[in-house]
Amino acid sequence: AQSVTQLGSHVSVSEGALVLLRCNYSSSVPPYLFWYVQYPNQGLQLLLKYTSAATLVKGINGFEAEFKKSETSFHLTKPSAHMSDAAEYFCAVSDQGGADGLTFGKGTHLIIQP
Amino acid sequence: GAVVSQHPSWVICKSGTSVKIECRSLDFQATTMFWYRQFPKQSLMLMATSNEGSKATYEQGVEKDKFLINHASLTLSTLTVTSAHPEDSSFYICSAQGWGGSTDTQYFGPGTRLTVL
Repeated sequence: AQSVTQLGSHVSVSEGALVLLRCNYSSSVPPYLFWYVQYPNQGLQLLLKYTSAATLVKGINGFEAEFKKSETSFHLTKPSAHMSDAAEYFCAVSDQGGADGLTFGKGTHLIIQP
Repeated sequence: GAVVSQHPSWVICKSGTSVKIECRSLDFQATTMFWYRQFPKQSLMLMATSNEGSKATYEQGVEKDKFLINHASLTLSTLTVTSAHPEDSSFYICSAQGWGGSTDTQYFGPGTRLTVL
């Protein structure tokens, strides 16, 4: 069975600073990994996904993530935070090529300070 | 592309009544739809997986007689919460996957907030 651990339920950064949201996964097979963003009272929007191709994945809104098999990690980064990035971020894993229900981490609430 | 809608966006009902939530894929054919439940400030938990024309597969601990799922067409799945009770109050989110979008990606609806009084 797969699992996802997101370190830090809350992360606070200053506007313009680097954003780093951590995600570690556990999977018995090569995983598909996803980052989603959720704004208050809304559904989830896909930021990016890793599907066994390039290990550095670029997504929307300037976000990117790097798949590191040796560290079983898929951390999300953005070079310069913007106020509009304030939201809840979820890392998720699939061990059936995305064809199964996703297993989500507990989420990280990103706070942007002016 | 790959837009998923849910209706209603919020609903309040009395304890003991049933509530139906619709999930539609607007611009692609969803061969598989998923239903998740999200408690306040918590993560999403998968409730069930439904394939068009087949019975839904429920996750362990989810009562299939309480949460009825129908996936009768490639663009519509419904979740009916039967005899709802206050503990069923939650945010219900569907996702869809299939042709027209990326087959390895789930596209999520905006969610339905259910409050049972």
